Amino acid sequence: GEDVEQSLFLSVREGDSSVINCTYTDSSSTYLYWYKQEPGAGLQLLTYIFSNMDMKQDQRLTVLLNKKDKHLSLRIADTQTGDSAIYFCAEILAAGNKLTFGGGTRVLVKP
Amino acid sequence: DGGITQSPKYLFRKEGQNVTLSCEQNLNHDAMYWYRQDPGQGLRLIYYSQIVNDFQKGDIAEGYSVSREKKESFPLTVTSAQKNPTAFYLCASRPRDSYEQYFGPGTRLTVT
Repeated sequence: GEDVEQSLFLSVREGDSSVINCTYTDSSSTYLYWYKQEPGAGLQLLTYIFSNMDMKQDQRLTVLLNKKDKHLSLRIADTQTGDSAIYFCAEILAAGNKLTFGGGTRVLVKP
Repeated sequence: DGGITQSPKYLFRKEGQNVTLSCEQNLNHDAMYWYRQDPGQGLRLIYYSQIVNDFQKGDIAEGYSVSREKKESFPLTVTSAQKNPTAFYLCASRPRDSYEQYFGPGTRLTVT
């Protein structure tokens, strides 16, 4: 079955790098996503990676995918106070149409 | 100005009343989705529609109904049969031949 797990909370100092981790169980995942949610708002698609890739970099964001361990991570370089939010990882399966979300990681950036 | 709009942002209802949440998109996306988010949790899929006049149940469809009469619109009705309707409801859409879903700003529904 599908299951996506994330740690609940991450605290980081402004200017440091943040690493948010995610594990998933279904090996038929096609795409894996990272979304950002600010308080009271909808979800913003940050980036995504196709399952045959190991890494994707987009400005301050680096996504790493370890397919063998079913582990996905999002690294935010030079973390800013505006990066404080909840970050969700999600997967979509080869045959599917629906996203399965993790529970979200709340990131707090301290000045 | 393209995007997904959900209205209203906050909605209050008495228990036993049906309520309809609006979702409109002018992105010409084919597929549309409704998710529910409870505090401290991820999103769960309620219903989705890939084309006009067609929709499928998601993981938690009981107590909800939808329609898709126009490509741009996918309203969600929360019926009195939904046992625990208070939540944050998010609508999303996806272009054809893409795996990217884009979300609206959400409607927070409170039922007392």
